[in-house]
Amino acid sequence: DTGVSQDPRHKITKRGQNVTFRCDPISEHNRLYWYRQTLGQGPEFLTYFQNEAQLEKSRLLSDRFSAERPKGSFSTLEIQRTEQGDSAMYLCASSPLYSNQPQHFGDGTRLSIL
Amino acid sequence: GQQVMQIPQYQHVQEGEDFTTYCNSSTTLSNIQWYKQRPGGHPVFLIQLVKSGEVKKQKRLTFQFGEAKKNSSLHITATQTTDVGTYFCAGPGGSGGSNYKLTFGKGTLLTVNP
Repeated sequence: DTGVSQDPRHKITKRGQNVTFRCDPISEHNRLYWYRQTLGQGPEFLTYFQNEAQLEKSRLLSDRFSAERPKGSFSTLEIQRTEQGDSAMYLCASSPLYSNQPQHFGDGTRLSIL
Repeated sequence: GQQVMQIPQYQHVQEGEDFTTYCNSSTTLSNIQWYKQRPGGHPVFLIQLVKSGEVKKQKRLTFQFGEAKKNSSLHITATQTTDVGTYFCAGPGGSGGSNYKLTFGKGTLLTVNP
């Protein structure tokens, strides 16, 4: 069990640029989740995949946010035309397919918008 | 939508003192989960409670799930400096009570003075 891996750990970019983050879940986990966490808050659910199917994306913060998991393994989260308010920690988690299994989080990608 | 509230927001204790954090949901939960996040780290799963009135212990940590399945508590006996971190409760909001859409509280930040 190598854990959930996220890359990069830290991303600094100028406002208006596009950014993409990658998440590699625990290998046998079918479910993959993206969360956003700002200072002093708990993680905020963004979207969820079961294998390659994106089953919930209503919480993606705007149409500038999109996520993919094309082969049911790793996932990417893209933010287009970044804004100051996008500065946050973006966390990925994964869990097995069986219901009510806990989620295992990666170390996150910290996004800083200049 | 579902809301999960935690109190207190911060708690500072002397090493050896006890600590309790409380969690309340606006809706009845199928289960409640607790996570710990060390400073600079990611949320780490601690425990899941499923049954009404359930009590579970992990060494010095005692977790309770309320009879109405809307509130929960975490109690730490004789805190140690290794207990420092933010403790989050989280409730599932997916259909059928599945875990995929976790709603987190804001967390309780525990600091311990050695």
